[in-house]
Amino acid sequence: DIKMTQSPSSMYASLGERVTITCKASQDINSYLSWFQQKPGKSPKTLIYRANRLVDGVPSRFSGSGSGQDYSLTISSLEYEDMGIYYCLQYDEFPLTFGAGTKLELK
Amino acid sequence: DVQLQESGPGLVKPSQTVSLTCTVTGISITTGNYRWSWIRQFPGNKLEWIGYIYYSGTITYNPSLTSRTTITRDTSKNQFFLEMNSLTAEDTATYYCARDGNYAWFVYWGQGTLVTVSA
Repeated sequence: DIKMTQSPSSMYASLGERVTITCKASQDINSYLSWFQQKPGKSPKTLIYRANRLVDGVPSRFSGSGSGQDYSLTISSLEYEDMGIYYCLQYDEFPLTFGAGTKLELK
Repeated sequence: DVQLQESGPGLVKPSQTVSLTCTVTGISITTGNYRWSWIRQFPGNKLEWIGYIYYSGTITYNPSLTSRTTITRDTSKNQFFLEMNSLTAEDTATYYCARDGNYAWFVYWGQGTLVTVSA
């Protein structure tokens, strides 16, 4: 199975701050990577697919980048509603595997 | 509008089998080249993909769970199902059903159903 190592596991950030979360795959996943946001008590929500493509309706302050084994999610200017847990997912190979999550909290 | 809703027993005893239902509204589960998945989230938030049933009926499982997992569907009721046997406390999790979008996995999710395995 492809292991997805996500970092940091948790972080505190201030409103307006630029935030970056990373995911490293145990092998090349050919940009078959999605990012999800989950808020307390809610189901995850897809933000980005194919490493850098924004799902319709997702604010443009979210962006994704990366290739090969290394990927990142960036929030250009943090807003209060962005608090939650972020996960990456690789879908290059079965079984699909998720990162362990990054909990983003307000400083 | 596509909506998914899980239902299940909530509490199951160790070694028993759990059966979960995902009821879909807004689209037929037999159209559109979509994959209808089951995913679980453990206490502590780890996510695990369990498997999916394709619109055609083809099923793909996570190899780590394939020996004790069965995914089926009832097209007349527009539902698909997850059955998992030989449960242990480590199977305690919130179980989600989900569907992919046109380009991305897991765009549509149910609200999740908690399954607790305890005597």
